[in-house]
Amino acid sequence: LAKTTQPISMDSYEGQEVNITCSHNNIATNDYITWYQQFPSQGPRFIIQGYKTKVTNEVASLFIPADRKSSTLSLPRVSLSDTAVYYCLVGDLLHSGGGADGLTFGKGTHLIIQP
Amino acid sequence: DAGVTQSPTHLIKTRGQQVTLRCSPKSGHDTVSWYQQALGQGPQFIFQYYEEEERQRGNFPDRFSGHQFPNYSSELNVNALLLGDSALYLCASSATRTSGGYYNEQFFGPGTRLTVL
Repeated sequence: LAKTTQPISMDSYEGQEVNITCSHNNIATNDYITWYQQFPSQGPRFIIQGYKTKVTNEVASLFIPADRKSSTLSLPRVSLSDTAVYYCLVGDLLHSGGGADGLTFGKGTHLIIQP
Repeated sequence: DAGVTQSPTHLIKTRGQQVTLRCSPKSGHDTVSWYQQALGQGPQFIFQYYEEEERQRGNFPDRFSGHQFPNYSSELNVNALLLGDSALYLCASSATRTSGGYYNEQFFGPGTRLTVL
C-alpha cells in the first residue's frame, strides 16, 4: 500500500474553508483514497472516498489531481465541532473488492478550529 | 438501528493478567476488525474475522487472539498483559460488498480503554 504523508496539525477559525492535503507519491493504479475523522475517545468515522477528480458529499469535498499523487480534503465553513483528527488512507481496490481489508492509518492531521 | 457497540467502556488490569473485550457489529454486517490505538497514534490493525475465522492479521503477537460467533459478534483476547498494551481498542464492522457502496467502508465502535498497571 502507498505510504501517506499529512501535516501533523492545522489551525483555522470558524466559518473558514479548511483544506488538508495528503501526499501519496507511490499510489498504484488499483488504489483508492479514503478519509476518516476521529473525535477524542471515539472511533474513526468515514467521511469521503474517491479514485480520481472530485467527489463531494454533504460533509466534504475530495480533490484528486490527474497524477493522483496527492489528495485534498476540503471542509467548507468549519465550526468548532470540526475539531478532530483527520486520516488519509490508501486502499487496494482489487484486494478489497467483495470483502474488507484491515485499514492502514497514519498519525493523521489534528485540526483545531478556534472561535 | 444500533451501530457498533463495545464492552466494557473502560478496564484496568495488571501486568500478566488476561483480558477479553467484546464487540457487536452493526446490523447487517458480517465482518469484524479489531484495532489498537495508542495515545497520539493512529489505529493499528490487529486482525479481522469473517465467517467465524481469522481472515487477516496485522503485526501483533500471538498473545492477541480473537473469536467470532455465529451472530457475527466478536471477542478480542489478550494474554500476559504488558504495560505497552495500554490503549484504546477499537472494533469496526463492515459488510461483504455485493454491489454499490464504498470500498472497504468500516464502521467503528466507541472503543474500550484498557489500562495496564
